[in-house]
Amino acid sequence: ETGVTQSPTHLIKTRGQQVTLRCSSQSGHNTVSWYQQALGQGPQFIFQYYREEENGRGNFPPRFSGLQFPNYSSELNVNALELDDSALYLCASSLGQLNEKLFFGSGTQLSVL
Amino acid sequence: AQSVTQLDSQVPVFEEAPVELRCNYSSSVSVYLFWYVQYPNQGLQLLLKYLSGSTLVKGINGFEAEFNKSQTSFHLRKPSVHISDTAEYFCAVSPTTGFQKLVFGTGTRLLVSP
Repeated sequence: ETGVTQSPTHLIKTRGQQVTLRCSSQSGHNTVSWYQQALGQGPQFIFQYYREEENGRGNFPPRFSGLQFPNYSSELNVNALELDDSALYLCASSLGQLNEKLFFGSGTQLSVL
Repeated sequence: AQSVTQLDSQVPVFEEAPVELRCNYSSSVSVYLFWYVQYPNQGLQLLLKYLSGSTLVKGINGFEAEFNKSQTSFHLRKPSVHISDTAEYFCAVSPTTGFQKLVFGTGTRLLVSP
């Protein structure tokens, strides 16, 4: 177990709704990255937060937004949900922006109907 | 930009047989290389990584991988697989400088049967 916890584990929403996913990073980690993993695909980078600031973003529209709190936990918000947003959303934490020390949570499975 | 190709979407193998999962990458800059494993309904677990030094990297659960810069490959191998190795395996790269996001391949499903 990595110490990175995500909630909820499963979620069902309808098209057009908004959703918030949560991630509690491993103790001592100050960086959180979010990835989207569609069925049958590899994870795709959404964005990264370092010390409460977004410091990198992948090719996702602005309706994907996030927050990092002073305790370094994080939220991923998705507005105006679309069917293609159905995926496993993975959170990963690290100390600094070093991918070689990245630990993943078990993910939130989002289904958009 | 970086890209990762895992040509084999599925690799069936019998228990105790050797296996190789192939990974090729493309990048205009130097990269770090990773292999992750994903068991059903779980997140990603790091198997091994290449940062620098020896091109043969040993990881957990008896896996190893060899970095070949000229062929831009990082194939994963195990000399004898177990039923418990059945999972999805992802190869990933990230640049060594600048913003270091992970770029993943599409994954290879290893199916080990008795």
